[in-house]
Order: sequence, then structure tokens, then C-alpha cells
Amino acid sequence: DSGVTQTPKHLITATGQRVTLRCSPRSGDLSVYWYQQSLDQGLQFLIQYYNGEERAKGNILERFSAQQFPDLHSELNLSSLELGDSALYFCASSVQGSGSSYNEQFFGPGTRLTVL
Amino acid sequence: LAKTTQPISMDSYEGQEVNITCSHNNIATNDYITWYQQFPSQGPRFIIQGYKTKVTNEVASLFIPADRKSSTLSLPRVSLSDTAVYYCLVGDPRGSTLGRLYFGRGTQLTVWP
Repeated sequence: DSGVTQTPKHLITATGQRVTLRCSPRSGDLSVYWYQQSLDQGLQFLIQYYNGEERAKGNILERFSAQQFPDLHSELNLSSLELGDSALYFCASSVQGSGSSYNEQFFGPGTRLTVL
Repeated sequence: LAKTTQPISMDSYEGQEVNITCSHNNIATNDYITWYQQFPSQGPRFIIQGYKTKVTNEVASLFIPADRKSSTLSLPRVSLSDTAVYYCLVGDPRGSTLGRLYFGRGTQLTVWP
């Protein structure tokens, strides 16, 4: 158990819909990262937040957005869903956001999104 | 970010030592080398990180030659439970990437009885 929790575990929805994935980082971790893993694309970094502020963006679509709240939990919002958005979505957390040479990321169990 | 190249798959038998090599010819001065392990339908798990020479922890060793253009993850005496995908990542956790990780396709290690 990494200490990172994600809800829901599974999500089935239809094309065109909007969903919200939730992540609670490990106690004390200030950084939250979101990743998407699909069969054809592998594991891809989407976005990072550090203490409530966006720090880095990866291959995140404009239909997707995220935020980190004052209590440090984070939500990933996916809208206008397409079949190709079906994937495992992982959240990870780490203590640091920058300034340290050691940055182990702890991954949650993931949310499996199925778009029908 | 430095691109990494590692074998797509490897096979081994229980009790053997497994060495997975990763090439990163364009590694930058401030880059560190990190390895993660992932089981099916689970999030990746940190194994080991190093900058140069050799790093060892309770589960693995990481060998990095002087030119740092490659690295080798060594798993001693593997068991069936070591069957997983292993990812090699190179980057500067302190720099502009601010710790974001780029995973390639990884190496699928299969351990046979």
C-alpha cells in the first residue's frame, strides 16, 4: 500500500460525458501527479501540481483539467469523453516539487475508466 | 529529457540473477537514473535511483558506468513474483521538469519456474 488513494476504482460512462477522478496523496506529500496508461500509448505523464499550483504539463488534452485543493487532494476532470479516453488513470505523490535530487513518486492503485 | 532504450522483454528462471540494461546516450549532467517496477493493473513502484557508479538497496543494484550513457538494473535471485514491467527513466528531479516522469514501454520480465 503506497498510501495514495484514488476513487473510484472503476468508472464506466458513455461518450460525450464528463467524469471526475479523485486522488488523496500520502500524508505530508505536497506534489501530485496524474498519469494515463493505455495499451497503445503506454504510461504517459499528464500534469503535476505542487502545493496547490500547477507545476508541469505533459500530454494532457484540452478536454482534461485538474486542480489541487488546499487539503492537497487533487481531482482530474475529463470532459467530452471519447472511446480513446478509456485507460487506467494513475495518481502519484511525492514530498518535493523541486529543489531535491531525490524525488520518489508513490503511485495510487489507479482508476480504470471505460468509455462506451 | 533524455530518451531511453531498453529491451522489450526478457525471460529468466527462478533463482537466477537478471540484468536489464538501459541506454541513455543523451543523458545530461544533472540527470538521475531511476527504475520503477509495475505489476499488471497496479501503479508503478520505485525500485532504485542513482547518479553514478553503483547503488545497492535491499531489492536491487544499479550499475552506472563512468560515461553514464547506460545503466544496468540487477535483480539477484529472481522469483516468480518479480515478473513485471521494469521502466528506466532519466531526468533531473530538481530541474524544469520538476520531477515529472517519462516512462517508455519498459521491459517485460517474465520469470519461469
